[in-house]
Amino acid sequence: GAVVSQHPSWVICKSGTSVKIECRSLDFQATTMFWYRQFPKQSLMLMATSNEGSKATYEQGVEKDKFLINHASLTLSTLTVTSAHPEDSSFYICSARGRESYNEQFFGPGTRLTVL
Amino acid sequence: SQKIEQNSEALNIQEGKTATLTCNYTNYSPAYLQWYRQDPGRGPVFLLLIRENEKEKRKERLKVTFDTTLKQSLFHITASQPADSATYLCAFRDQSGGYNKLIFGAGTRLAVHP
Repeated sequence: GAVVSQHPSWVICKSGTSVKIECRSLDFQATTMFWYRQFPKQSLMLMATSNEGSKATYEQGVEKDKFLINHASLTLSTLTVTSAHPEDSSFYICSARGRESYNEQFFGPGTRLTVL
Repeated sequence: SQKIEQNSEALNIQEGKTATLTCNYTNYSPAYLQWYRQDPGRGPVFLLLIRENEKEKRKERLKVTFDTTLKQSLFHITASQPADSATYLCAFRDQSGGYNKLIFGAGTRLAVHP
């Protein structure tokens, strides 16, 4: 199946700093990418949906100025957590969907963010 | 709003037995349901998709049922093995309001003991 990678797999940062997480589709063109956040023992919560070349659509309650999403190419999307705080510590997972796979999404391995 | 519920308690079973996990949903009529496996610290991995007009779907030791009247999907693992221990998530696709996004349940953790 299609492969989605994320980098880094984990990151620890100080409060107030910004962190960028990359999501890449390795063997297909991702027309749509999704960013999820997952707290321990909880469901994946969709943060935003981005289509290549367009602005991301954020879910209700997600601050777009805090979680900057860029989907500049068909194989790369980035999520930047700006001015991170301890409450932003979570597991961030990206997912990608190709042009021919309207109903199928492929998930990355996730990035564990810890803000001290 | 749409809601999808899975048994939050962990399911502990003996190796070789059949594990059955439940997924219930409300306030929506999805055209299909999906099941994923998630290991600790990893992203979900797609397992099976079942459409509303399919009563049952099988893949090797996995079986999924979909009852649109009960608004419920059951996920079975037969001849379970310790390697099947993981969290299993169900999800349906919300295509209302021009969106196309997956709504996930919180998952049920399965532990298969030798």
